[in-house]
Amino acid sequence: AQKVTQAQTEISVVEKEDVTLDCVYETRDTTYYLFWYKQPPSGELVFLIRRNSFDEQNEISGRYSWNFQKSTSSFNFTITASQVVDSAVYFCALSEGYAGGTSYGKLTFGQGTILTVHP
Amino acid sequence: DTEVTQTPKHLVMGMTNKKSLKCEQHMGHRAMYWYKQKAKKPPELMFVYSYEKLSINESVPSRFSPECPNSSLLNLHLHALQPEDSALYLCASSPPGQQNNEQFFGPGTRLTVL
Repeated sequence: AQKVTQAQTEISVVEKEDVTLDCVYETRDTTYYLFWYKQPPSGELVFLIRRNSFDEQNEISGRYSWNFQKSTSSFNFTITASQVVDSAVYFCALSEGYAGGTSYGKLTFGQGTILTVHP
Repeated sequence: DTEVTQTPKHLVMGMTNKKSLKCEQHMGHRAMYWYKQKAKKPPELMFVYSYEKLSINESVPSRFSPECPNSSLLNLHLHALQPEDSALYLCASSPPGQQNNEQFFGPGTRLTVL
């Protein structure tokens, strides 16, 4: 069975600080996909990034960066120079490879990390 | 059109009422999902439709009845709900194939059962 662990329940930082959200996963599949979603107070889950198991390249998008390490089964997310608008709940999620010709994936979510950025 | 829409945004209903939640997408996605999310918890998968056919029912009580009339529309019919069913109900969709399989979520319907 697959599992995603976000050990940090809540993180509080002051604006302009860098912050890293940890994500550790477990799966028996060799093909799988990792995701990060942001959920602001409005409730909508916003897709941030997808990474497949064959691509260990780190990625940077503006102030966001992601560090994928298969050796430690981790997919950590760093926000550089945090801003108040980054305050939200962040979910890491895992989807195994599609099997049996299916065309959808079942997401397993971590428990989420509540990030609060103070001005 | 690159979004998933959900109506209504808020719904208050009694335990004897019948109501429906609606979800729509026009991105050509062929998989659509219903999730339930309680406060301070991650979303929990309820149903998956793939090519308008019910593919997954995560042992959801029969008082929740999903329907997929066409490839763009997903409904969730509610009947005889319990107060513990109060939650945020999220709809999502994803394109076919594994290459770009991220799920796009709607803003959700906040349901309160009295």
